[in-house]
Amino acid sequence: QSVLTQPPSVSAAPGQKVTISCSGSSSNIGNNYVSWYQQLPGTAPKLLIYDNIKRPSGIPDRFSGSKSGTSATLGITGLQTGDEADYYCGTWDSSLSAYVFGTGTKVTVL
Amino acid sequence: EVQLVESGGGLVKPGGSLRLSCAASGFTFSSYSMNWVRQAPGKGLEWVSSITSSSNYIYYAESVKGRFTISRDNAKNSLYLQMNSLRAEDTAVYYCARGAAVAQFDYWGQGTLVTVSS
Repeated sequence: QSVLTQPPSVSAAPGQKVTISCSGSSSNIGNNYVSWYQQLPGTAPKLLIYDNIKRPSGIPDRFSGSKSGTSATLGITGLQTGDEADYYCGTWDSSLSAYVFGTGTKVTVL
Repeated sequence: EVQLVESGGGLVKPGGSLRLSCAASGFTFSSYSMNWVRQAPGKGLEWVSSITSSSNYIYYAESVKGRFTISRDNAKNSLYLQMNSLRAEDTAVYYCARGAAVAQFDYWGQGTLVTVSS
């Protein structure tokens, strides 16, 4: 079982906004950078957000990240059908000396 | 262009062994830490192991500690995962991923499927 908790699913209509939470503890999110990954159906994961808020080159600014205390949030604005995917948060856990992923959230565009 | 290509997956019986490889190109392999991440069918991502650029530090998930061994050959731009005493619960797609920083896997391979079944 993962130490990072995400909602199993979120949904919204095209053009709307969704947010995905990632809840952890002081040993992981509280004291380490958070990354977010997008996994489109049948494909490998792709880095979406790193260092809590930064976007790799090529990632549109519709995707944003934030962190407060022991929780992190991914936001997606202007939702598109191509955004339908599974999204995972991830970070290092200093107590476990292990990388931990969130439980994953499926985004559905209605 | 950064490329990571995994190979070595397949069907193996419980208790058996398998060695996965990841061929890297398009970047200075010896400058980056590397990682293995797996995904069981229909399940989420699970980190498996990490190795720093010079192999000075190696980390394993508790679920594979003592059974799996990560290694790399910087001269061959290759990452490996030796998997012994395989169990049914090790069945998954195994991805190799480049570690741009401690909490950041910036490039991923396409994955190789490992099936442990009698």
